[in-house]
Amino acid sequence: KAGVTQTPRYLIKTRGQQVTLSCSPISGHRSVSWYQQTPGQGLQFLFEYFSETQRNKGNFPGRFSGRQFSNSRSEMNVSTLELGDSALYLCASSLTSGRALDTQYFGPGTRLTVL
Amino acid sequence: DQQVKQNSPSLSVQEGRISILNCDYTNSMFDYFLWYKKYPAEGPTFLISISSIKDKNEDGRFTVFLNKSAKHLSLHIVPSQPGDSAVYFCAARPPAGGSNYKLTFGKGTLLTVNP
Repeated sequence: KAGVTQTPRYLIKTRGQQVTLSCSPISGHRSVSWYQQTPGQGLQFLFEYFSETQRNKGNFPGRFSGRQFSNSRSEMNVSTLELGDSALYLCASSLTSGRALDTQYFGPGTRLTVL
Repeated sequence: DQQVKQNSPSLSVQEGRISILNCDYTNSMFDYFLWYKKYPAEGPTFLISISSIKDKNEDGRFTVFLNKSAKHLSLHIVPSQPGDSAVYFCAARPPAGGSNYKLTFGKGTLLTVNP
């Protein structure tokens, strides 16, 4: 069974631009969570989607948004990029929401650099 | 406010010896704790977990200890192997069913096992 895939793997943008990251969960998984990893803050939860609905949200500004499609694939969008948005963005999938989050499977991440 | 703290950014041990990684939490609502391991250019992978009703869980070379009164948990790796060199993240979550059901991660500890 293929793992969680994220595209692109690397991305370079400039301040003020917007970016869209994509995540394809493991086949059959319906929950997708997004995390931001930075050296100073570790892994921080962005949001979780289940059955095309946002189930939970972390403490990030409205510039960070996401959505999930009927095939469970998810996209994350960051508008008006700032230098501080440079990070590794990780996507994780699980079979369902709730307790199933205990067995999330992570993708390799998208490394975003904002210049 | 960092609800899950890993105060040691790095740890270096000799092959064959014990590695002890520590984690403290402040939220008394947390009742389930997990450890993830992350290699460079890969997403985190689940390692071991423990419920708050237990004080120890063992899986091969890995043992997690939980001290609820001290809000402290630790991961022991015995014997340590060079392949264990990675970043280790501690994570915690509240009981299932709540509106804030998500994993909160620490900043991670880089473990280096020297041959």
